[in-house]
Amino acid sequence: KAGVTQTPRYLIKTRGQQVTLSCSPISGHRSVSWYQQTPGQGLQFLFEYFSETQRNKGNFPGRFSGRQFSNSRSEMNVSTLELGDSALYLCASSEIAGGPGITNEQFFGPGTRLTVL
Amino acid sequence: TQLLEQSPQFLSIQEGENLTVYCNSSSVFSSLQWYRQEPGEGPVLLVTVVTGGEVKKLKRLTFQFGDARKDSSLHITAAQPGDTGLYLCAGAQTGGGADGLTFGKGTHLIIQP
Repeated sequence: KAGVTQTPRYLIKTRGQQVTLSCSPISGHRSVSWYQQTPGQGLQFLFEYFSETQRNKGNFPGRFSGRQFSNSRSEMNVSTLELGDSALYLCASSEIAGGPGITNEQFFGPGTRLTVL
Repeated sequence: TQLLEQSPQFLSIQEGENLTVYCNSSSVFSSLQWYRQEPGEGPVLLVTVVTGGEVKKLKRLTFQFGDARKDSSLHITAAQPGDTGLYLCAGAQTGGGADGLTFGKGTHLIIQP
């Protein structure tokens, strides 16, 4: 099976712009989670989608949004970019949805490196 | 918010040495996962531990989950340059809330030949 793919791999934007990142999960996986990784904060959970519905959301401002399509592919959007949004954005897919007490194996993509100037 | 503290943050040792990295929290987790991340790639799952006191071995890597399910350790025997990478622990909540996996900030491990 092909792994999780993310596009683009690298992106440079300026403050105030918006950006859309894409994630294609492993075939058959219906859950997609997004994480932001920075040297200072580490990996932080953004949101999880399962069957086109947002199930969980992390503590990020409303500028961060996402969606999932019927084929399980997911996109995340960041509007009004700030310098602090520079990070590696990781997408992870799994067969089942996560949740309290649920251990699901997540498969990560290589990430999109976003630089905001 | 459930936090996971990893130590040490950075570790550089010679090939053949043994090492242990730690993942600690004041909160209880239903399970804990260890990942390794190499530059330019996403994290790759190494192991999941679920039961308090559980020990799992993966070749030269030994993972232990604390009895109270608040902490975990990863021990590497006879480290090799191929073990170099960022080691991350991640905990799954026991209940309530909805913020996915909680990750520690990681241990950057360098094994020098």
